[in-house]
Amino acid sequence: QVQLQESGPGLVKPSQTLSLTCTVSGASISSGSYHWHWIRQPAGKGLEWIGRMYSSGSTNYNPSLESRVTISLDTSKNQFSLKLNSVTAADTAMYYCARRGDLWGRGILVTVSS
Amino acid sequence: EIVLTQSPGTLSLSPGERATLSCRASQSVSSSQLAWYQQKPGQAPRLLIYGASTRDTGIPDRFSGSGSGTDFTLTISRLEPEDFAVYYCQHYGSSPLTFGGGTKVEI
Repeated sequence: QVQLQESGPGLVKPSQTLSLTCTVSGASISSGSYHWHWIRQPAGKGLEWIGRMYSSGSTNYNPSLESRVTISLDTSKNQFSLKLNSVTAADTAMYYCARRGDLWGRGILVTVSS
Repeated sequence: EIVLTQSPGTLSLSPGERATLSCRASQSVSSSQLAWYQQKPGQAPRLLIYGASTRDTGIPDRFSGSGSGTDFTLTISRLEPEDFAVYYCQHYGSSPLTFGGGTKVEI
């Protein structure tokens, strides 16, 4: 059974870098033609797509975040990661990792505050 | 960027009733690359429908999707108590992927 689990700090200071990791268990992140996504959701609001990385290594990002976002793959650890720099309070949200759209992690709440 | 507009914002219905949710795209969605998700409080979204009309594994047949081009519909034929939730449409073709603003189905 394939599962995804987000991890990382729940509190980040303004202007710093938010770094999250999604660990995939039950399948190899580099097998198949899957793509791996990060999505976020501020409290009480809708879903915002952040970006995706294909197993081949190519990436697509939301233009509204592209200048601050990096998604990377670590096949040796079966993980993929999100880095969002220069964060502000507006980046406070529940962050989800997902495989395509069919499998999601449970999410991790990240608060940006000093 | 494809903007998805969902209507209505809130749908107030009773168990056993039929729910019809709309998702309209600002431009044609290629190859019907349109998905529907259900989200309950405190949970991650759950994929219901992809390819506009294909139910994901384990999704009850009371959920059905239809449409093409710019107009898509999610229908729940007879609402069960566990179906009261927020529903999102998403296009997943060309980047950037986008979500609609959601429809809340409430009792």
